Amino acid sequence: DQQVKQNSPSLSVQEGRISILNCDYTNSMFDYFLWYKKYPAEGPTFLISISSIKDKNEDGRFTVFLNKSAKHLSLHIVPSQPGDSAVYFCAAKLYSGTYKYIFGTGTRLKVLA
Amino acid sequence: KAGVTQTPRYLIKTRGQQVTLSCSPISGHRSVSWYQQTPGQGLQFLFEYFSETQRNKGNFPGRFSGRQFSNSRSEMNVSTLELGDSALYLCASSLAERQGYYGYTFGSGTRLTVV
Repeated sequence: DQQVKQNSPSLSVQEGRISILNCDYTNSMFDYFLWYKKYPAEGPTFLISISSIKDKNEDGRFTVFLNKSAKHLSLHIVPSQPGDSAVYFCAAKLYSGTYKYIFGTGTRLKVLA
Repeated sequence: KAGVTQTPRYLIKTRGQQVTLSCSPISGHRSVSWYQQTPGQGLQFLFEYFSETQRNKGNFPGRFSGRQFSNSRSEMNVSTLELGDSALYLCASSLAERQGYYGYTFGSGTRLTVV
């Protein structure tokens, strides 16, 4: 049962344009959502997060939007740069006695110069 | 502050063998989690250790086991290796109950190839 889904395995965007990565979830008990970025041969690194009580969080070129009614999360990167080319994972945090993180399958973003 | 250190970086093993992977968390982090990454499957949770006790476990067979030492270092063991165990194994550490905002810090992973 995949509680966190990234339905687009890959995305190509022209440099300077907006990249939009999407994530859907099924469990309404998730209280935090995070995005991680992963380059080949490296571990994922934290990018940005959002609490379930907010609908938007912005950090420089990165903005995460949360639509709780649709159980949908998106990451916007504006403007996209070639260095943004990586695999992006969304993750959701659940507390049920202890904290648990559930990751999506990832979306490979390619920013074309 | 040193990051999360995983050793070895690469490993090639034969079917049926067993393997032990090591993870040293960030100093002060008491929680260590292990994930398996395979193409198309994303990051699959294996288990989490906190203060030498397993707190959470994912849906993996009993061939996958782990432990945590008093200094928070953790090891993961896979016995009777199968070809399907070939994957990147990631270790992540976090500050126990204060995981909330920043989540994990991941190591670079151990790339295991089973032949």
